Amino acid sequence: NAGVTQTPKFQVLKTGQSMTLQCAQDMNHEYMSWYRQDPGMGLRLIHYSVGAGITDQGEVPNGYNVSRSTTEDFPLRLLSAAPSQTSVYFCASSFHTQDTGELFFGEGSRLTVL
Amino acid sequence: SQQGEEDPQALSIQEGENATMNCSYKTSINNLQWYRQNSGRGLVHLILIRSNEREKHSGRLRVTLDTSKKSSSLLITASRAADTASYFCATVRSGYSTLTFGKGTMLLVSP
Repeated sequence: NAGVTQTPKFQVLKTGQSMTLQCAQDMNHEYMSWYRQDPGMGLRLIHYSVGAGITDQGEVPNGYNVSRSTTEDFPLRLLSAAPSQTSVYFCASSFHTQDTGELFFGEGSRLTVL
Repeated sequence: SQQGEEDPQALSIQEGENATMNCSYKTSINNLQWYRQNSGRGLVHLILIRSNEREKHSGRLRVTLDTSKKSSSLLITASRAADTASYFCATVRSGYSTLTFGKGTMLLVSP
């Protein structure tokens, strides 16, 4: 049972490049989300999904795109990378939606934008 | 914006001592959760307390919730060096389904 798997673990981009951070879970969780973690800022919610075909914006959605075509996968796309998007990105999933229960986190993807 | 704020920002204790971290939040909540993050790793769920509960225990962890003061505390008893990590509180606001995290407390437990 792998839980939540994120790839890649590390990535360096140049300003203006695009890329996709992959997230997959094998727990049949309906709820999936992406957070970014910056020093002194805690975790901030980027986008989330309460089920296949349904996505919504979090606190800091600008510059990011998501889709949820299957229950298992929730990729995060950076459309045109900017240095301000240098961060550690975490994908998390949960069985519950209306009353969010325990979140299961991936190990993170560390992104540097030059 | 941050819903929860942990206090203190950093805490340094000796093994065997108790560690207490506090969390304050701004709006009414469905539940409050505590997570641990070891350096360079993802967050791990520790405990969830619902708005109609006042106290919960899990092993060496004790969490209290005071909804009138909009605050929670996490007590780790008999700390071990392996408890060294950052601890985050997170809340689910009433009427919402998303989890909002605080900035965390960094705990250092020295042998």
